[in-house]
Amino acid sequence: KNQVEQSPQSLIILEGKNCTLQCNYTVSPFSNLRWYKQDTGRGPVSLTIMTFSENTKSNGRYTATLDADTKQSSLHITASQLSDSASYICVVSPNYGGSQGNLIFGKGTKLSVKP
Amino acid sequence: DGGITQSPKYLFRKEGQNVTLSCEQNLNHDAMYWYRQDPGQGLRLIYYSQIVNDFQKGDIAEGYSVSREKKESFPLTVTSAQKNPTAFYLCASQRRREPNTEAFFGQGTRLTVV
Repeated sequence: KNQVEQSPQSLIILEGKNCTLQCNYTVSPFSNLRWYKQDTGRGPVSLTIMTFSENTKSNGRYTATLDADTKQSSLHITASQLSDSASYICVVSPNYGGSQGNLIFGKGTKLSVKP
Repeated sequence: DGGITQSPKYLFRKEGQNVTLSCEQNLNHDAMYWYRQDPGQGLRLIYYSQIVNDFQKGDIAEGYSVSREKKESFPLTVTSAQKNPTAFYLCASQRRREPNTEAFFGQGTRLTVV
């Protein structure tokens, strides 16, 4: 079964520190991998989207990496801010048959940034 | 402003009642989706629509119904047949249901059974 696994489940860091969130997936073949940020009680907002041929993509202090060989992705947050406190969701889009256009969601990593 | 609007933000339902969640978009997107989010779980697809007057069941369609009479609107009805409806519901849209198109989400409706 195609799955997207994220780790850690939750993370607490101090303001100004860096952190890295992990995503392992078994979806194959896939079209793209996305990272979303979801504030509590709000809808997810896109941070990055990478096709299978891309290795890295940045959006401000957020940098996503992708290793299609090992089926791993990471999201690195630099110089964290209190507003980074949210859940970060890894999403993979399959590229086969009738599943094209589907999105398979991880359970998310809940990040808390403390002052 | 362009975007997706869900209403209401909070909704309370009594046992045995049907309730309808609204989703409207002014992005001129063809594809629209309904997802359910439970604590500690990934989003799960309820229904999706690729074009007006057409929709398909997702992974957890039982107890739900939808309509797509207008391109801008994709309402979700949670029927009394849905045994555990308390959850956070998210509507999303894409220009088309294609792998590399951006998906935009509404702000969600939290449904609680009382």
